[in-house]
Amino acid sequence: DVKVTQSSRYLVKRTGEKVFLECVQDMDHENMFWYRQDPGLGLRLIYFSYDVKMKEKGDIPEGYSVSREKKERFSLILESASTNQTSMYLCASSRSGATNEKLFFGSGTQLSVL
Amino acid sequence: DAKTTQPNSMESNEEEPVHLPCNHSTISGTDYIHWYRQLPSQGPEYVIHGLTSNVNNRMASLAIAEDRKSSTLILHRATLRDAAVYYCILRDAWTYKYIFGTGTRLKVLA
Repeated sequence: DVKVTQSSRYLVKRTGEKVFLECVQDMDHENMFWYRQDPGLGLRLIYFSYDVKMKEKGDIPEGYSVSREKKERFSLILESASTNQTSMYLCASSRSGATNEKLFFGSGTQLSVL
Repeated sequence: DAKTTQPNSMESNEEEPVHLPCNHSTISGTDYIHWYRQLPSQGPEYVIHGLTSNVNNRMASLAIAEDRKSSTLILHRATLRDAAVYYCILRDAWTYKYIFGTGTRLKVLA
């Protein structure tokens, strides 16, 4: 079975801390995505990567950066966490860029910034 | 980017069919229509997808309008386990993005 694993289910950090959210997929997928989910706003794309070391900004990249050094791992970095970054973060992957490819999600990381 | 529009919420009685609508009037010719659902405390999961023809799988059916500007996800017999947020999504062929709307929260009544 396909698996996308996010390193933490719940995370509590303080404002100003540097935060790393890790995501690993075991399907040899080319594309990986980071979304945040807030009540009433649905899923919003932060960053995505269509290949190793390649990244593209999504709709809300401000305050975030990403790293993809290996195909299976895609990290989301909050350089200096702020309270408005308290949210549910979802990682996802797809096999390729074709429009009929399915998207596979992890279970999410609920981040609280105090 | 093409957009999708869905009702915020819908209700259904258990064991009755449910029709979840989605409008995507700016869809382009190569965009597949995807449906995902998100159960409480989980990440979204794939339900079904299609391009032009109606599609069936063990979870649901997808009916696509002839002009492709709208689609309907059909759950043939809703169960309590189908209570979830259902997202209608397009994937942009040029940007690789999956474009999510805010979804429809389906409540199933026993």
